[in-house]
Amino acid sequence: RKEVEQDPGPFNVPEGATVAFNCTYSNSASQSFFWYRQDCRKEPKLLMSVYSSGNEDGRFTAQLNRASQYISLLIRDSKLSDSATYLCVVANYGGSQGNLIFGKGTKLSVKP
Amino acid sequence: EPEVTQTPSHQVTQMGQEVILRCVPISNHLYFYWYRQILGQKVEFLVSFYNNEISEKSEIFDDQFSVERPDGSNFTLKIRSTKLEDSAMYFCAKSGTGAYEQYFGPGTRLTVT
Repeated sequence: RKEVEQDPGPFNVPEGATVAFNCTYSNSASQSFFWYRQDCRKEPKLLMSVYSSGNEDGRFTAQLNRASQYISLLIRDSKLSDSATYLCVVANYGGSQGNLIFGKGTKLSVKP
Repeated sequence: EPEVTQTPSHQVTQMGQEVILRCVPISNHLYFYWYRQILGQKVEFLVSFYNNEISEKSEIFDDQFSVERPDGSNFTLKIRSTKLEDSAMYFCAKSGTGAYEQYFGPGTRLTVT
């Protein structure tokens, strides 16, 4: 079983649409979770951390369900600039500081 | 968060050659990381570095790889004898202020011919 699984997409949506991404992870001991976005041939950029209580940052809402080992990201009122690949990321606690385990990403394309 | 810088942005090398990839400069950070991303694939952890020592490494980080902080600021990844399959983007990352957050540099595109 893959450590972090995501629907690869692509998701093609019109501007203004609401879009949701889902992710599952295999290590039940994982403690920290993130969404990163990655533009084509660029570095991953931290979008938001994900907490059990859920968290919101403007148009973006992230949720974590530990029992189901499931993470989600909701984007409301999509903008053209939201077009990117969204990476679900889990911190793995192998040593004194976690390394990150990445999903393959879900590609989003927002059309005018 | 301040940026992480990397040089060069693109490196082309012949198979069997040694390459050195750099994070320049980084100061006042405890943890550093190297990741790689083969074109079309996911980002993969290579190694973490803490207090001038390797903290953790993945299966990918075999004997052909090494990391060091030669002058207290630059953080380097050396690949001793490159193979075609080493062609990838290599990202340096630093720890952030939040729990286990990491911030990535712009990457070095390594092309092995």
